[in-house]
Amino acid sequence: LAKTTQPISMDSYEGQEVNITCSHNNIATNDYITWYQQFPSQGPRFIIQGYKTKVTNEVASLFIPADRKSSTLSLPRVSLSDTAVYYCLVGDNKLVFGAGTILRVKS
Amino acid sequence: SAVISQKPSRDICQRGTSLTIQCQVDSQVTMMFWYRQQPGQSLTLIATANQGSEATYESGFVIDKFPISRPNLTFSTLTVSNMSPEDSSIYLCSVELGAGTYEQYFGPGTRLTVT
Repeated sequence: LAKTTQPISMDSYEGQEVNITCSHNNIATNDYITWYQQFPSQGPRFIIQGYKTKVTNEVASLFIPADRKSSTLSLPRVSLSDTAVYYCLVGDNKLVFGAGTILRVKS
Repeated sequence: SAVISQKPSRDICQRGTSLTIQCQVDSQVTMMFWYRQQPGQSLTLIATANQGSEATYESGFVIDKFPISRPNLTFSTLTVSNMSPEDSSIYLCSVELGAGTYEQYFGPGTRLTVT
């Protein structure tokens, strides 16, 4: 399973766009890239998943370059309620969670 | 999506005892997973539980310590046996709705404290 590297933490202000980049140099050909969000005292929540190029849903966008060795989760116009831990995972259904990125949104 | 409930939501147990955690899903799913999240840490996969077959355990987790049942497509249990304070964690179940989607939905977790 490919290992992922993310920033430990990020700070932002309400209304800003936040981009969290994840490095996964050893991604395999059939691996998908998936992002989860976790609030304190809750289970992780699926945000978005992609294989290549760009994926967008009502919550976020996921940008994946051609070599797939990294990916960027983009959260448009964050609010205080987006303060959470964000996990980037690579692989199949055996989810291997790294340390994640603690995103703090300030007013 | 899926609605997943877990019971109990939290418990405080004495060392040496066992606790069984229940996971209920509002739809039939093939694959269910059990995770552990120790305080301030990330999640670690304990085992995969498919209906009709033995659970598959990850390295570092054994059936004698964490027996799992999967009697049908909507329910599973995880037992934490012969508990010690090191077992104090949040235990979460998750489900994958469609084979090959790699998209999992998690329950709210069971917060276990062993004294």
